[in-house]
Amino acid sequence: DAGVTQSPTHLIKTRGQQVTLRCSPKSGHDTVSWYQQALGQGPQFIFQYYEEEERQRGNFPDRFSGHQFPNYSSELNVNALLLGDSALYLCASSLEASGRAYETQYFGPGTRLLVL
Amino acid sequence: AQKVTQAQTEISVVEKEDVTLDCVYETRDTTYYLFWYKQPPSGELVFLIRRNSFDEQNEISGRYSWNFQKSTSSFNFTITASQVVDSAVYFCALSEASTGNQFYFGTGTSLTVIP
Repeated sequence: DAGVTQSPTHLIKTRGQQVTLRCSPKSGHDTVSWYQQALGQGPQFIFQYYEEEERQRGNFPDRFSGHQFPNYSSELNVNALLLGDSALYLCASSLEASGRAYETQYFGPGTRLLVL
Repeated sequence: AQKVTQAQTEISVVEKEDVTLDCVYETRDTTYYLFWYKQPPSGELVFLIRRNSFDEQNEISGRYSWNFQKSTSSFNFTITASQVVDSAVYFCALSEASTGNQFYFGTGTSLTVIP
């Protein structure tokens, strides 16, 4: 049973560039959430995708956008990168069982993004 | 306002000692879930436990135990007879019915178990 996978593992970009991060959910899961974890902090919710639509969004600017594909995999895009975007980006998947919320989220290993 | 507070930033214990990690949460919802995750140096958050707001029974799983007290809005985590492999950052998280599946994480407690 494959867990959540993310790619790439590490990424170095310069200010102003754009980046795309990828996530494949745990087998059988249909919901993907993205989190940003700055060094020494807890993960901060960016947004969640379900049925290929953004269902919920945290306090992040429009530079952060995403997509969910029919196979439930997801991408996180960040435009006009800032130095402050340097962080570990975590993807989490869950199963929207019968429309219930707050299902357990299972996390991938993350993508470490460094913006120079 | 911080919805989840983990006041202990770093804790060091000697192997075989017991250690308790504190978690205090804040919510106006009557339906909510609390979680604990472990984050080893590799970075991946590992799910440990989920509790709902209607079940205050304490839970034990091997060397791990959890104490949920609604009266004090706390969900503390105890590791008995700690081992070096328990060294990691531990996060407490809250999910509320009113905000759907968004998880609110605390700032984490870094636990170091010294051999």
